[in-house]
Amino acid sequence: SQQGEEDPQALSIQEGENATMNCSYKTSINNLQWYRQNSGRGLVHLILIRSNEREKHSGRLRVTLDTSKKSSSLLITASRAADTASYFCATDVQGAQKLVFGQGTRLTINP
Amino acid sequence: EPEVTQTPSHQVTQMGQEVILRCVPISNHLYFYWYRQILGQKVEFLVSFYNNEISEKSEIFDDQFSVERPDGSNFTLKIRSTKLEDSAMYFCASSAKYYGTNLYSGNTIYFGEGSWLTVV
Repeated sequence: SQQGEEDPQALSIQEGENATMNCSYKTSINNLQWYRQNSGRGLVHLILIRSNEREKHSGRLRVTLDTSKKSSSLLITASRAADTASYFCATDVQGAQKLVFGQGTRLTINP
Repeated sequence: EPEVTQTPSHQVTQMGQEVILRCVPISNHLYFYWYRQILGQKVEFLVSFYNNEISEKSEIFDDQFSVERPDGSNFTLKIRSTKLEDSAMYFCASSAKYYGTNLYSGNTIYFGEGSWLTVV
């Protein structure tokens, strides 16, 4: 599999519930970023976590990073209909000036 | 909040035609990028640009593609002779500092809204 793979590919939950998305990667990284993309729109940066950090919070978002398992998770608490979007993790590649994106998780929040 | 702006938002072009996609990166940023996303697929890196030259490019970025910073604010992507498989959303992005080899450099890359290119 490739760098930056999210699971699940699709997630549908009720408004108010928490949503958890996971990302796995293969190579060593410096940082991992999560982005949101509404259908047909641009990529909105959510949060960046450095490889020496284990957990980071931003509002209703909580990101964890486990470099030993080469995995990250994004938790959205108290989900809202407006959170409906695709969520991507993006990893850098050490020695390269680029981000490698996963396939994304399509999150649907049902009212 | 400062943002990356892209024009046009949509463009339809005939196969073989030249296309120029334009971007205005965030004003104090020094590193510029183009990515693309074919419908339903992953976002893919095309090229990074710093100090008026390409610093890295992917296999996708062949001789049909070129980038330019013609003035102090714009950053363009040119596709010389478009093919059907060039149909995609093209994202411009920028960052303030070098994003790469330095551990913990942690520079956020900001993306624009994208230019949707359809080649017919």
